[in-house]
Amino acid sequence: AQSVTQLGSHVSVSEGALVLLRCNYSSSVPPYLFWYVQYPNQGLQLLLKYTTGATLVKGINGFEAEFKKSETSFHLTKPSAHMSDAAEYFCAVAEWANNLFFGTGTRLTVIP
Amino acid sequence: EAQVTQNPRYLITVTGKKLTVTCSQNMNHEYMSWYRQDPGLGLRQIYYSMNVEVTDKGDVPEGYKVSRKEKRNFPLILESPSPNQTSLYFCASSRGGGGEKLFFGSGTQLSVL
Repeated sequence: AQSVTQLGSHVSVSEGALVLLRCNYSSSVPPYLFWYVQYPNQGLQLLLKYTTGATLVKGINGFEAEFKKSETSFHLTKPSAHMSDAAEYFCAVAEWANNLFFGTGTRLTVIP
Repeated sequence: EAQVTQNPRYLITVTGKKLTVTCSQNMNHEYMSWYRQDPGLGLRQIYYSMNVEVTDKGDVPEGYKVSRKEKRNFPLILESPSPNQTSLYFCASSRGGGGEKLFFGSGTQLSVL
């Protein structure tokens, strides 16, 4: 069975500070892992994904995530937060095809 | 432009009045899915479809129906809506296979009074 845990439903950072959003998953097989972002009044957009190969994945808008199998984690980071990064972020896992299971989301606030 | 189109964007209805939320994609995607989003619960899958005439239940299918008669369309049907179905609904589609990017519609905010 798959599940996704996102630690912290709200995270606040200062503009220019490091962004770290945590995601842990449980899966019985090597999973596909995703981060999606949702801006106000919009649908979700893909930030990045891990399928196979390199465990450090780079996405759009300067975000990256590292797949750590031993820790069953896929944390999202960005070295320097920008005001435009304020949004809700969802981690998701799929064991097969595109049947994604989402975490409960983390709302990121960026303080000027 | 590649897109997933949902209609309507907003819908207010009363308990028991049947409604349909339409979803259409123009990317020839095999896979389509419906999610509902509720505060503190994230997105939960209602139904999904791997191809025409192939549908299956997600995590929260009770009170919903779907059909996939054509590849591009995947309507969500609430035969007898209840207040606990008040939610934000998203349709999504992707190519077949694993690890593919999901394309989301803009959402339908449903209120059942």
